[in-house]
Amino acid sequence: SSELTQDPAVSVALGQTVRITCQGESLRYYYASWYQQKPGQAPVLVFYGKNNRPSGIPDRFSASSSGTTSSLTITGAQAEDEADYYCKSRDSGRNNHLVFGTGTQVTVL
Amino acid sequence: EVQLVQSGAEVKKPGESLKISCKGSGYTFTRYWIAWVRQTPGKGLEWMGIIYPGDSDTRYSPSFQGQVTISADNSINTAYLHWSSLQASDTAMYYCARPIEVATISAFDIWGQGTAVTVSS
Repeated sequence: SSELTQDPAVSVALGQTVRITCQGESLRYYYASWYQQKPGQAPVLVFYGKNNRPSGIPDRFSASSSGTTSSLTITGAQAEDEADYYCKSRDSGRNNHLVFGTGTQVTVL
Repeated sequence: EVQLVQSGAEVKKPGESLKISCKGSGYTFTRYWIAWVRQTPGKGLEWMGIIYPGDSDTRYSPSFQGQVTISADNSINTAYLHWSSLQASDTAMYYCARPIEVATISAFDIWGQGTAVTVSS
């Protein structure tokens, strides 16, 4: 099955830009979706597909993809963006199977 | 309002069986996949499996195949996650989730509130 690898933790100064990366073979064939999870809460979808931001998600969240790497960028990070972020993709080896990334903890300084 | 409401927290002993539920409302239940996701304490999200209530097509992650059973009852718009014999390692938070688009599994925008399962002797 596919695996998606993320950096365990990143930090960003308030108002600056941070990029969270997700690497895996399945990303060569499928777009990632990105989820934000704050302590004690269910995940929230923040970006998906080639260029889709769900209603209510600030436009400081964007994503891109190249080869086997997908990236979520927060431009002008806010204190409320401090959370864990997970990528997710379809498994390129199995029909209708999914895989989550290992997760990245984002700290806003 | 579209929502998924999960059953309450459970405390069980090893070897016991358990079925937790996820009730959908505000949309046509049979037209959207429902996924189950595990999160063990302090760890990341793990995809367990997925069911399409419209035809009961069910897929399992290799990590969970044979360990759990996913089902749905369309008459009450409810999906289930069932264990026949719990282990301590099943202690986790379990989420159900629904995709943003009909009949696809690309992105999940509706999540249940989570069901905490504790397995301890």
